[in-house]
Amino acid sequence: AQSVTQLGSHVSVSEGALVLLRCNYSSSVPPYLFWYVQYPNQGLQLLLKYTTGATLVKGINGFEAEFKKSETSFHLTKPSAHMSDAAEYFCAMDQAGTALIFGKGTTLSVSS
Amino acid sequence: KAGVTQTPRYLIKTRGQQVTLSCSPISGHRSVSWYQQTPGQGLQFLFEYFSETQRNKGNFPGRFSGRQFSNSRSEMNVSTLELGDSALYLCASSLAISGRAGSEQFFGPGTRLTVL
Repeated sequence: AQSVTQLGSHVSVSEGALVLLRCNYSSSVPPYLFWYVQYPNQGLQLLLKYTTGATLVKGINGFEAEFKKSETSFHLTKPSAHMSDAAEYFCAMDQAGTALIFGKGTTLSVSS
Repeated sequence: KAGVTQTPRYLIKTRGQQVTLSCSPISGHRSVSWYQQTPGQGLQFLFEYFSETQRNKGNFPGRFSGRQFSNSRSEMNVSTLELGDSALYLCASSLAISGRAGSEQFFGPGTRLTVL
């Protein structure tokens, strides 16, 4: 069955430290992949997407993700965390006939 | 370009009542999807509409229904409300149907439904 797994429901980093949020997917064919961010009491904002082509994808706010087919992974990274990055992050995949399938989300906390 | 708008933003209903939520997509977007977000179940897909036709449906009871109009605006309806229907209902729009180029979804702020 198609699914998205986010490893770690809560990640804590210090300001300026590397951010790494992990996402693995299960799919019979390479899907489209997305990362979304959600701030409290708001909807989801698209950070970046992978469809085809370059496997390293750059998004907004300094985030990037790398699609690794052999590892069925799409981890999200940011070299230097900022306090404003504290939010909940969702990995999602998109396939014809299924709409978006979301992971359970990872809450990112950033301390000064 | 204006984003996805949802009305109302907050609703309080009692068990047994019904509710209608509205979503206006980004101009030019023909696909509208609905999701339910709860702390326990996370984000769950309700349905997807494209050109006034329901293209995909999630695993929800028949009390949940939706429709899309010719201007791409969409409504979802929940009848005979239960306590467990309390959630944030999110609407998203996209240029294309899921699985196709241009299918990235843009979300509205959501409608917070509380059932008492």
